Amino acid sequence: NAGVTQTPKFQVLKTGQSMTLQCAQDMNHEYMSWYRQDPGMGLRLIHYSVGAGITDQGEVPNGYNVSRSTTEDFPLRLLSAAPSQTSVYFCASSYSRTGHAGELFFGEGSRLTVL
Amino acid sequence: ELKVEQNPLFLSMQEGKNYTIYCNYSTTSDRLYWYRQDPGKSLESLFVLLSNGAVKQEGRLMASLDTKARLSTLHITAAVHDLSATYFCAGSGGATNKLIFGTGTLLAVQP
Repeated sequence: NAGVTQTPKFQVLKTGQSMTLQCAQDMNHEYMSWYRQDPGMGLRLIHYSVGAGITDQGEVPNGYNVSRSTTEDFPLRLLSAAPSQTSVYFCASSYSRTGHAGELFFGEGSRLTVL
Repeated sequence: ELKVEQNPLFLSMQEGKNYTIYCNYSTTSDRLYWYRQDPGKSLESLFVLLSNGAVKQEGRLMASLDTKARLSTLHITAAVHDLSATYFCAGSGGATNKLIFGTGTLLAVQP
């Protein structure tokens, strides 16, 4: 199994550009989430989804949009990139049917630089 | 809202020594998770602690959970260089679907 697959692994954007980070999982997990990791800040939750058609905000949702049209995919969209969004982004999923996030399985990460 | 704090943030220790990483959380957390991250890599699940008094061990690492004290610990026994990594704890409070992470503890084991 591929697990959680993120693309691209690296991306450089200019301020104001838009882009989508892709995340796909092949484990039939209901729960999916996006985190950003910055030095000294740990991981901060951006958005999460408990199933197809359902999304909700995490700790730092501003500047990001998500959608969940299928169980497998959970793309993260930056509509107008800002230098403050320079970070490493992780997608994670879990098998959770109880409402809890559950034990997360992480993708390899996407390193984004906004100039 | 749940907040998770780890200490220390950085830990340099010699091989063969024992030490403990602490994870405090601010509100009720039904479960507590520990993850490991190697430099430039993704996160790997280490332990899932589901109830008060839970203790889990894997090799030189042992994790425990005290929900009354809102504290989880990760104990390292006779450290070896291969344990050098960043360790994160994460909590899921009450009925929330959010998994909130601490800032991480960078562990450097010196030969």
